[in-house]
Amino acid sequence: QKEVEQNSGPLSVPEGAIASLNCTYSDRGSQSFFWYRQYSGKSPELIMFIYSNGDKEDGRFTAQLNKASQYVSLLIRDSQPSDSATYLCAVNRVTDKLIFGTGTRLQVFP
Amino acid sequence: DAGVTQSPTHLIKTRGQQVTLRCSPKSGHDTVSWYQQALGQGPQFIFQYYEEEERQRGNFPDRFSGHQFPNYSSELNVNALLLGDSALYLCASSLNGAGGQPQHFGDGTRLSIL
Repeated sequence: QKEVEQNSGPLSVPEGAIASLNCTYSDRGSQSFFWYRQYSGKSPELIMFIYSNGDKEDGRFTAQLNKASQYVSLLIRDSQPSDSATYLCAVNRVTDKLIFGTGTRLQVFP
Repeated sequence: DAGVTQSPTHLIKTRGQQVTLRCSPKSGHDTVSWYQQALGQGPQFIFQYYEEEERQRGNFPDRFSGHQFPNYSSELNVNALLLGDSALYLCASSLNGAGGQPQHFGDGTRLSIL
């Protein structure tokens, strides 16, 4: 079992729709959860982080965490073609290394 | 406010050579982590430096070594390069003891081994 699992995609959604990206993790000691966006040929860019169960909203992005189910998700509302990228889920214990999934490729078509 | 800076941007080496990659952390950050990202994969943790010492290490051989300087900048050294070392090398900085604050990445160094 991989430590962090994501569906590789591609996830294709029309412009203006909600994109839902999912991630599961195996280490129950994980305390911090992150979503990074990575455009092709570029480095990961932090877009959201969450520490507590529930939802956290920032603009068009909502991160959801369920520690009991070991599940993290990212919702992107009003998806735009510029959102087309690979989304990396990462988890860690405090001050610990980040453990990444392999990423989900999102395609938003006009 | 300068973000994380890495140099060089690209590098081409041949098998058996040695390479040094450099990283300056984001202003105010004191912890530097290095990751290797192969094509189509998520970044893999190499090691983390804090207070000029290696605090954690991932599953990488001793050919990979590093250093942190008093100004918090860091170097990653790789000896006896193999074809499989071709990857994007990412440096990330963070603030120690800040309750799991996020790590911010530089633009990376793309290393190609011929």
